Amino acid sequence: DTGVSQDPRHKITKRGQNVTFRCDPISEHNRLYWYRQTLGQGPEFLTYFQNEAQLEKSRLLSDRFSAERPKGSFSTLEIQRTEQGDSAMYLCASSLVEQRPYEQYFGPGTRLTVT
Amino acid sequence: AQKVTQAQTEISVVEKEDVTLDCVYETRDTTYYLFWYKQPPSGELVFLIRRNSFDEQNEISGRYSWNFQKSTSSFNFTITASQVVDSAVYFCALSVLGDKIIFGKGTRLHILP
Repeated sequence: DTGVSQDPRHKITKRGQNVTFRCDPISEHNRLYWYRQTLGQGPEFLTYFQNEAQLEKSRLLSDRFSAERPKGSFSTLEIQRTEQGDSAMYLCASSLVEQRPYEQYFGPGTRLTVT
Repeated sequence: AQKVTQAQTEISVVEKEDVTLDCVYETRDTTYYLFWYKQPPSGELVFLIRRNSFDEQNEISGRYSWNFQKSTSSFNFTITASQVVDSAVYFCALSVLGDKIIFGKGTRLHILP
């Protein structure tokens, strides 16, 4: 078991560009969460999936953000028309709801810088 | 709604001193989980402890100890004989029924040699 992985680890983009991040959860984990952490703040919940179903979205997730988990395995988070305020660390976590749903394992994060 | 408050934004202590990080939480649910995470300069979130709402026993793990008091909705974290390697940002967090985790804003801890 290799843990939660995220790709890329760092992304620098110009304002207005689209970016996509990928998260691979721990194998067989059916829940996958996305969080965003801005400088000096704690992580904030964005959205989560159970299998391929997106069960909850935060109001932080504007129309420019979209997340998918098409086959219930890896997930992607896309940000369209990036803004400087999108600069943050994007964290992914996964858990197995049948056993310990509260035990979320976090990935190393993708640090986005919008210039 | 759930909320976690870490009133201490930043703390500095000299190595070998004890330090307590405060955490106050709010929730109307009777079943919930409380957590502490460490975030060193490298950025990854390191899980330290989880407690459920039905277990108020204090816990000690090496130099770390946690004091959970439902009466005051607090879940404080103490590091005994602090070391420079303890320098990091520490987050207290709350989760209800395995749902999303609500984090506090964190306390940045500086351990001075």
